[in-house]
Amino acid sequence: NAGVTQTPKFQVLKTGQSMTLQCAQDMNHEYMSWYRQDPGMGLRLIHYSVGAGITDQGEVPNGYNVSRSTTEDFPLRLLSAAPSQTSVYFCASSNRQGYTFGSGTRLTVV
Amino acid sequence: DAKTTQPPSMDCAEGRAANLPCNHSTISGNEYVYWYRQIHSQGPQYIIHGLKNNETNEMASLIITEDRKSSTLILPHATLRDTAVYYCIVRQPFSGSARQLTFGSGTQLTVLP
Repeated sequence: NAGVTQTPKFQVLKTGQSMTLQCAQDMNHEYMSWYRQDPGMGLRLIHYSVGAGITDQGEVPNGYNVSRSTTEDFPLRLLSAAPSQTSVYFCASSNRQGYTFGSGTRLTVV
Repeated sequence: DAKTTQPPSMDCAEGRAANLPCNHSTISGNEYVYWYRQIHSQGPQYIIHGLKNNETNEMASLIITEDRKSSTLILPHATLRDTAVYYCIVRQPFSGSARQLTFGSGTQLTVLP
């Protein structure tokens, strides 16, 4: 199994541009989530989903949108990128056994 | 989720046991102790979790005190590849909005050759 796949691995955006970070899982997990990690800090929850068609906000949702049309996919959209969104983004899916994280997307906004 | 306290950093000699402590004095009866680690630039990796009994798997052992106010993660024979930030998280498992993980600052474990 591939687990959790995130694309792209690296991205540079200009301020004001929009983009979508992709996340896909093949473990049939109901729960998926997006975190961001700034240098020297722990992970902070952006948005999460408890199943297809259901999403909710986490700790730092401003500037991000999500949707969950299928169990497998949970894309994160940056509507108008800002330098404050420069970070490493991790997608995770989970079941009762624990969380599986993707390898991350390193985003730089200039 | 209950608050946890971990030392910011620890060193361990390669081949020796690494013992990582975590205090969680406000843990409630239905909260589990989870351990994750994050190797530089990678996504966090699940290690082990437990409620009140000691647990062991192929990666590590988890020792929880009888009053459940603290725990210790034990890596029995640390290798250089175990160098990582280790996160202790206390939470209810999968009940609605409690599904998200709350990460603190963790313990940076450095395994020395």
